[in-house]
Amino acid sequence: GAVVSQHPSRVICKSGTSVKIECRSLDFQATTMFWYRQFPKQSLMLMATSNEGSKATYEQGVEKDKFLINHASLTLSTLTVTSAHPEDSSFYICSASSGNHQPQHFGDGTRLSIL
Amino acid sequence: KQEVTQIPAALSVPEGENLVLNCSFTDSAIYNLQWFRQDPGKGLTSLLLIQSSQREQTSGRLNASLDKSSGRSTLYIAASQPGDSATYLCAPLNYNQGGKLIFGQGTELSVKP
Repeated sequence: GAVVSQHPSRVICKSGTSVKIECRSLDFQATTMFWYRQFPKQSLMLMATSNEGSKATYEQGVEKDKFLINHASLTLSTLTVTSAHPEDSSFYICSASSGNHQPQHFGDGTRLSIL
Repeated sequence: KQEVTQIPAALSVPEGENLVLNCSFTDSAIYNLQWFRQDPGKGLTSLLLIQSSQREQTSGRLNASLDKSSGRSTLYIAASQPGDSATYLCAPLNYNQGGKLIFGQGTELSVKP
C-alpha cells in the first residue's frame, strides 16, 4: 500500500518551455503533498507544501510564480515549472501524506533537463 | 530551525560488515524520525519510522535507535550486502511544522563484494 506515482520520470526540453509534473497517490487520500528539489550530491530541499483545496505554502526563496502548484483533489498534485531555464534543471520529487503527522510516501522523482 | 547532520558523508565497506550510520538533529521536539534509502536517480524508500516515545525499531537486518534528548539517531545495518549500496537519509518530523521533513545530507554507502 501507500504508492505514489510521479510522472513523467524524465523531461528534456528547450529553455522557455513550461513543464508540468504530476504526483498521484494511488491507494490513499493525500491531504498534504510536498514538492522537493534535489541537486546532484545534495539532499532534498523542500520547495512547497500543498494541502488539498487550498493554496500551496512556499519555502523561503522559492518563487511561487515560477513554480505553480495545484492540489485540486485528494489524489493529485501538479507542479508546473513556468518558462524553465537551464538553472531549473534538477531532480524534482513529490511526497504525499494522509495527515499532518503521518508518514510521507515518495514518488520516484522527475529528472528535468533544460537545454 | 531544525538542522540535521549525518556522519559519515560516505562509507565504503566489504560485504558482510556491520555498519553504523549516525544522524544528529538540533531541535529535539520531534514527533518521529524516519530513515530513508535513495538509490541513484530514484525517489526515497522509507526504511524505518521511530516515534518520539520509542527507543528503537527493527526491520530485518536494519535497526534504528533514537535518543531524542540528545538529538541523535543511529541506523545499524547487519551483515551488509552489495544490494545495500545507496544513500541513506534521516529526517526528523517536528511538531507544529505542518508535516515538513528536514533532511540530512545523507550517507552514501558502498558495499563491495
